[in-house]
Amino acid sequence: EVQLVQSGTEVKKPGESLKISCEGSGYDFSKYWVAWVRQMPGKGLELMGIIYPGDSDTKYSPSFQGQVTISSDKSISTAYLLWNSLKASDTAMYYCARHSDSLYPPNYFNFWGQGTLVTVSS
Amino acid sequence: QSVLTQPPSVSAAPGQKVTISCSGSRSNIGNNYVCWYQQSPGTAPKLLIYDNNKRPAGIPDRFSGSKSGTSASLGITGLQTGDEADYYCGTWDTSLSAYVFGTGTKVTVL
Repeated sequence: EVQLVQSGTEVKKPGESLKISCEGSGYDFSKYWVAWVRQMPGKGLELMGIIYPGDSDTKYSPSFQGQVTISSDKSISTAYLLWNSLKASDTAMYYCARHSDSLYPPNYFNFWGQGTLVTVSS
Repeated sequence: QSVLTQPPSVSAAPGQKVTISCSGSRSNIGNNYVCWYQQSPGTAPKLLIYDNNKRPAGIPDRFSGSKSGTSASLGITGLQTGDEADYYCGTWDTSLSAYVFGTGTKVTVL
């Protein structure tokens, strides 16, 4: 059974750094693109970026380029989303999602993590 | 502001049918496959339709998808209270070089 399990809720202050994780199981983690999706409170879905764990090829959506860093460690089947300096506007639910195959550009995401809630407040 | 426009809400009585539209352009819907996701309250999105009109295993045939030109639609027949959720279309945008989601539609069962 394919599963994506994300790290838990985070409460941070502005200016702090943060790394959240997404561990895949039940499939060959290195062979499928994994995306990070932001959902701000009461708002819609936004794809932030996507990584191919096999070779760490990473693509960022224009709005998120330079704002976050996406990485992965295929040896432990885990993808990461990193902020160097959080802002209050980073408060959101973050989902990881597995793409349907190894092809790019992405077509659809058929498995999703449970979400990680990040709250940034002074 | 998303490049894929959906109606903010649709509603119907149990057992009835609703249709959700997703309007885009040639750089996204016009030249790429469309998919649909269902997000029930407090849960992660779930894939409902892919490649314009295909259903993943386990998705009932009450859900259907179609595409024409630069627009796509999701239909839900035999509406049930469990269908109350937010629905999003999604596709690749060639001009933006980005995967885009629609603005989202809230389905209410009256």
